[in-house]
Amino acid sequence: DIQLTQSPSFLSASVGDRVTITCRASQDISHYLAWYQQGPGKAPKLLIYGASTLQRGVAPRFSGSGSGTQFTLTISTLQPEDFATYYCQQLDSYPITFGQGTRLEIK
Amino acid sequence: QVQVQESGPGLVRPSETLSLTCTVSGGIINYHLSWIRQAAGKGLEWIGRIHTTGDTAYNPSLMSRLTLSVDTSKNHFSLELTSVTAADTAVYYCATDSQGFDYWGQGALVIVAS
Repeated sequence: DIQLTQSPSFLSASVGDRVTITCRASQDISHYLAWYQQGPGKAPKLLIYGASTLQRGVAPRFSGSGSGTQFTLTISTLQPEDFATYYCQQLDSYPITFGQGTRLEIK
Repeated sequence: QVQVQESGPGLVRPSETLSLTCTVSGGIINYHLSWIRQAAGKGLEWIGRIHTTGDTAYNPSLMSRLTLSVDTSKNHFSLELTSVTAADTAVYYCATDSQGFDYWGQGALVIVAS
């Protein structure tokens, strides 16, 4: 199985901050990586697919980059509704796997 | 507008079979649907995927107990997980699956207990 390791696991930030979350894959997954946001008690929401393509309807303050084994999700200017848990996901090979999650909290 | 909804019993006895249905509406055709679960306070675990043609892919960790099926006439997808234990207690989600999991149901909490 392909392991995805996110860092940090926990992040404390303020409204208006720029934050970056990293996802490292245990082997080359090309650009087959997606990012999700999950609020408490809610289903995950797709933010980014193909490593860098913004899902329709997602705010442009979210951006993704990377390929191969190293990927990043950046939120350019944190808004109050962005405080949630973020997951990366690889779709390169079965089984599809997720990172362990990054919890983003208000400082 | 694509809508996805899970349904099924919220309580299953140990050693019995967990059965869930996922209904997709909104006019999409020829797509994959994935099942995902999340135990309380834990991360996301991919269970398996099925295409509207019936082709399936299962997580090896669950393969021996898992069956996914589809009734395309009703846009109904089914999950059956046999011989459940407390470790199968989780919120179960279904999601349409293209280049990412784009449309999700609200989730169905399934508790395995006697």
